[in-house]
Amino acid sequence: DAGVIQSPRHEVTEMGQEVTLRCKPISGHNSLFWYRQTMMRGLELLIYFNNNVPIDDSGMPEDRFSAKMPNASFSTLKIQPSEPRDSAVYFCASRIRGEKLFFGSGTQLSVL
Amino acid sequence: DAKTTQPPSMDCAEGRAANLPCNHSTISGNEYVYWYRQIHSQGPQYIIHGLKNNETNEMASLIITEDRKSSTLILPHATLRDTAVYYCIVRPTLSSGNTPLVFGKGTRLSVIA
Repeated sequence: DAGVIQSPRHEVTEMGQEVTLRCKPISGHNSLFWYRQTMMRGLELLIYFNNNVPIDDSGMPEDRFSAKMPNASFSTLKIQPSEPRDSAVYFCASRIRGEKLFFGSGTQLSVL
Repeated sequence: DAKTTQPPSMDCAEGRAANLPCNHSTISGNEYVYWYRQIHSQGPQYIIHGLKNNETNEMASLIITEDRKSSTLILPHATLRDTAVYYCIVRPTLSSGNTPLVFGKGTRLSVIA
């Protein structure tokens, strides 16, 4: 298996632009998580899905952030409009119920 | 979830054992201890987990005290590639469903040649 696949690996955009991050979980995994990592705040959970259904989005910082999981093999995290303080590394992770978590390589987002 | 306390940083000589401590004094009876590590510019990677018995796999050993209030991750022969941030996390047992992992600040381990 190729593992959790995230795209793009790097994204540079200007303030106010829409940003879409993509994630393909490991086949067969039924839970998907989005995390954000910054030097100041460390690794923060943004939202997670079980069986494609959002369970807890309390970590989503603002209404500018939204996440979807239209099917078991794809998820998106969208920021609209983006701001410089959104600059971070965004990780997607997946697992089978209760088992160990597998992370993708992350998307390095820079908002200028 | 129970909170954990780890030293912010540690050094270890290459080839020596690295012993990373974690305090989880408020752990509940149904909570596992998990260890992950994050090498620079990569996503976190699972290492090992345990409930109350000591565990060993190809990466590391996990020693949990009898009262379960603390644990130690042991890398028996540290290499330069083990330089990373190590996270100790406690979470409910598998039967409790898909609760997410909450990461603290971890311990930054530097393996020195």
